[in-house]
Amino acid sequence: EPEVTQTPSHQVTQMGQEVILRCVPISNHLYFYWYRQILGQKVEFLVSFYNNEISEKSEIFDDQFSVERPDGSNFTLKIRSTKLEDSAMYFCASIKGAGNQPQHFGDGTRLSIL
Amino acid sequence: AQSVAQPEDQVNVAEGNPLTVKCTYSVSGNPYLFWYVQYPNRGLQFLLKYITGDNLVKGSYGFEAEFNKSQTSFHLKKPSALVSDSALYFCAVSAYNQGGKLIFGQGTELSVKP
Repeated sequence: EPEVTQTPSHQVTQMGQEVILRCVPISNHLYFYWYRQILGQKVEFLVSFYNNEISEKSEIFDDQFSVERPDGSNFTLKIRSTKLEDSAMYFCASIKGAGNQPQHFGDGTRLSIL
Repeated sequence: AQSVAQPEDQVNVAEGNPLTVKCTYSVSGNPYLFWYVQYPNRGLQFLLKYITGDNLVKGSYGFEAEFNKSQTSFHLKKPSALVSDSALYFCAVSAYNQGGKLIFGQGTELSVKP
């Protein structure tokens, strides 16, 4: 069964540095999402992306964050000037169509800011 | 605004006994409801969904969930628990006109003891 893949599995970065988290969604999917899970807390929506543009973003997704689909397969989340509180698991998800379909999640990238 | 509540941080059951993991939701309009399971260091795996139709929904690994509109609940159930069911369970809601983003509950840790 096709899977969403995320790299790296663990990223350690110094505070203030920029980090790029990478995702390869399932190939025929059209809607893409990033979520964040701070340790011990619930999974939080960050941003959704469709047709090469952001369709919705949460309050968390401020100017520090950006997303891009640079080619036909990758979907990236960039975090500029990282802060300690950015430490979390970041999950990418994708679906073929919107609304009532279950999202397929990757295994996540654990981001640790030192 | 949409929200999901899972009132129990942890549920403990003995193997072979029935289990219930509770979820209540709040959403304007018709909800799309989902249950996901998360094993350690893994992403979220889809278990089942309610979109419309029968209030009792059957999903993967013998799980089922009952949609109750009057109580705005979507409790996850299984007639006979297995030790391997021990994991973190998330209930999530999506509004049909919200681009598919998922709003998650805080999660319930299920522990099944032999």
